[in-house]
Amino acid sequence: KQEVTQIPAALSVPEGENLVLNCSFTDSAIYNLQWFRQDPGKGLTSLLLIQSSQREQTSGRLNASLDKSSGRSTLYIAASQPGDSATYLCAVRTDFGNEKLTFGTGTRLTIIP
Amino acid sequence: DTGVSQDPRHKITKRGQNVTFRCDPISEHNRLYWYRQTLGQGPEFLTYFQNEAQLEKSRLLSDRFSAERPKGSFSTLEIQRTEQGDSAMYLCASSTNLVRLAGHEQYFGPGTRLTVT
Repeated sequence: KQEVTQIPAALSVPEGENLVLNCSFTDSAIYNLQWFRQDPGKGLTSLLLIQSSQREQTSGRLNASLDKSSGRSTLYIAASQPGDSATYLCAVRTDFGNEKLTFGTGTRLTIIP
Repeated sequence: DTGVSQDPRHKITKRGQNVTFRCDPISEHNRLYWYRQTLGQGPEFLTYFQNEAQLEKSRLLSDRFSAERPKGSFSTLEIQRTEQGDSAMYLCASSTNLVRLAGHEQYFGPGTRLTVT
């Protein structure tokens, strides 16, 4: 059974700093991995999707990496802004025939102005 | 807005009542998913459709839950005889397996928050 863990559960950093969020998964036979952002009481916004054959994806100030063999992904946020404050969730799709995403519990990020 | 939409956004009901939620996926997306999220947790998979066929159901989906996607477009999720433990955010997502459109990325709606009193 796939299990996804995100550490830390909460993180506070001053505005302008670069930061890294971590995601680990127990079954390395994944099809893809997605990073999402969730604002309080809202739905999920997809940030980045990494296919199992890829090592990283970039979008603006965000960079996500994937190391399948070690069961890890990181989300790097450059030059953090107060608007980046949210909960960040990672989710894995285990294999091609299995459509469901398995989510971690998220990291609640607070950027201090 | 061409994103995933859900209705209603909030629902308060008394224990024992039936409730129904609706999800409209992104047009051209042939896959539709339902997830449930409780406070402080990540979403948990409930079920998914490819076109009108329900292809996978989680063990979380008890007999009181039923989902349909009759014409392969919008979907409904019904909960019968609601219990307090059903209180959660119900999230809908859609995707496509047509490579030219997207790489199986799931796009989520705003969710329906259910409170059972």
